[in-house]
Amino acid sequence: AQSVTQLGSHVSVSEGALVLLRCNYSSSVPPYLFWYVQYPNQGLQLLLKYTTGATLVKGINGFEAEFKKSETSFHLTKPSAHMSDAAEYFCAVSDVNGNKLVFGAGTILRVKS
Amino acid sequence: EPEVTQTPSHQVTQMGQEVILRCVPISNHLYFYWYRQILGQKVEFLVSFYNNEISEKSEIFDDQFSVERPDGSNFTLKIRSTKLEDSAMYFCASSDGTGVHEQYFGPGTRLTVT
Repeated sequence: AQSVTQLGSHVSVSEGALVLLRCNYSSSVPPYLFWYVQYPNQGLQLLLKYTTGATLVKGINGFEAEFKKSETSFHLTKPSAHMSDAAEYFCAVSDVNGNKLVFGAGTILRVKS
Repeated sequence: EPEVTQTPSHQVTQMGQEVILRCVPISNHLYFYWYRQILGQKVEFLVSFYNNEISEKSEIFDDQFSVERPDGSNFTLKIRSTKLEDSAMYFCASSDGTGVHEQYFGPGTRLTVT
C-alpha cells in the first residue's frame, strides 16, 4: 500500500523567504509523485509531478521539488515566497496504473508581510 | 482552458435522503474519479471509473455509493441514504489516461447532511 506523510500541518514564512514543505512517501512500486495546491473555496490544482527521469522537477508559480529515492522524499520548495502563495498544499502518490491518488494530510502555508 | 465542473457547489440534505452529485469531466478524458475531504482531514480516494466500469474503489465506497456515466458528458456520484458522516467536500477528477494519468480536479461539492 502507498502512503504519504507531510511534516508540519502549518508552515509560516515571511514574504521573500524560502518556502520548504516536506513530503515523505511509502510505496512498494516505483511511485509517481505530485504536489497539488488548494486555494480557499477552490479545487485542487496541480503544481508539479515526478514520473521518471530528472529528479528535480519544476512546476508552476516558481515551485520545484526534488525526488530523493534514498530518503523517500519529495519536498517542495520555492526560493522566495509571495503573499499569493498562501494556500494549502498536498503531496500525493500514485502507482503506474494511475487508478488513484493517495494524499498526504496537507500543509497550510501562511505568508507574512 | 478546459476544466472539470461540478454541480451543485453546495448541497444540504437530511439524513436518510438520496443525493446525486454531478460532474462534467474534460471532454476528451476517459478516466474519472471521485474523492472526498471531510473537514479538517485529508483528501480520500473513493472510486475510479473507466470504460463504463469501476476500476478501483476504496473501503469507503460501500453499497450506499454508486457512480454512473449517464450520457457522454456527465459523471455522477449517488449516495442512496445519507448519513451524518457523509458530510464532506466531494471532488470529481478526470484524466486522459496517457502517461502518468494526470488528474484534473473540479472545484468540489460541499455536502452537508443534517
